[in-house]
Amino acid sequence: DVVMTQTPVSLPVSLGGQASISCRSSQSLVHSNGNTYLHWYLQKPGQSPQLLIYRVSNRFSGVPDRFSGSGSGTDFTLKISRVEPEDLGDYYCLQSTHFPYTFGAGTKLELK
Amino acid sequence: QVQLKESGPVLVQASETLSLTCTVSGFSLTNYGVIWVRQPPGKGLEWMGIIWRNGNTDYNSALKSRLSINRDTSKSQVFLKMNSLQTDDTAIYYCTRGYGGFDYWGQGVMVTVSS
Repeated sequence: DVVMTQTPVSLPVSLGGQASISCRSSQSLVHSNGNTYLHWYLQKPGQSPQLLIYRVSNRFSGVPDRFSGSGSGTDFTLKISRVEPEDLGDYYCLQSTHFPYTFGAGTKLELK
Repeated sequence: QVQLKESGPVLVQASETLSLTCTVSGFSLTNYGVIWVRQPPGKGLEWMGIIWRNGNTDYNSALKSRLSINRDTSKSQVFLKMNSLQTDDTAIYYCTRGYGGFDYWGQGVMVTVSS
């Protein structure tokens, strides 16, 4: 199985500040069709996960441009600029290139 | 609008079979796949399996021997069955639409397996 190593586990931030979360995979996430199926989710307390970024760098509908995704191969990053209170929660990366699809263990974004 | 809603028993006895239903609206099961994901209390997310738009299925190998996913396209429903439940199957079970990442999620159903 592809192991998704997500760091840090916990990320204290100040409102208005910037946050960066890393996700590294144990093998390349480039599919044989040329696409890279790496996605990012935010799970707020008591809620279902919500899609933020799909296929590395594409913001899902309604996601503010404060969220950006980048990376390639095995190394990916989610950046959040100008952190707002509604951005707090657990962030997960997901790879859907290889079966079984696998999630990172999560990063808790919390107030400093 | 796109909606998914999970339903099923909230308490199941160990060794029994879990049956959950995901009822979707706002899209057709012949155009999109549906995925099941679960989350034990206080823990991370685990992909369980997918039923593709053509009706084919793929399962997490760790669950494959116990898991089956089916659907009724006329009722816009996807079904999850998992047998031989153990207490560590206690989790929130979500269904989600598979497109460009898993874009829309149900609210989830908390299933407790009692010994």
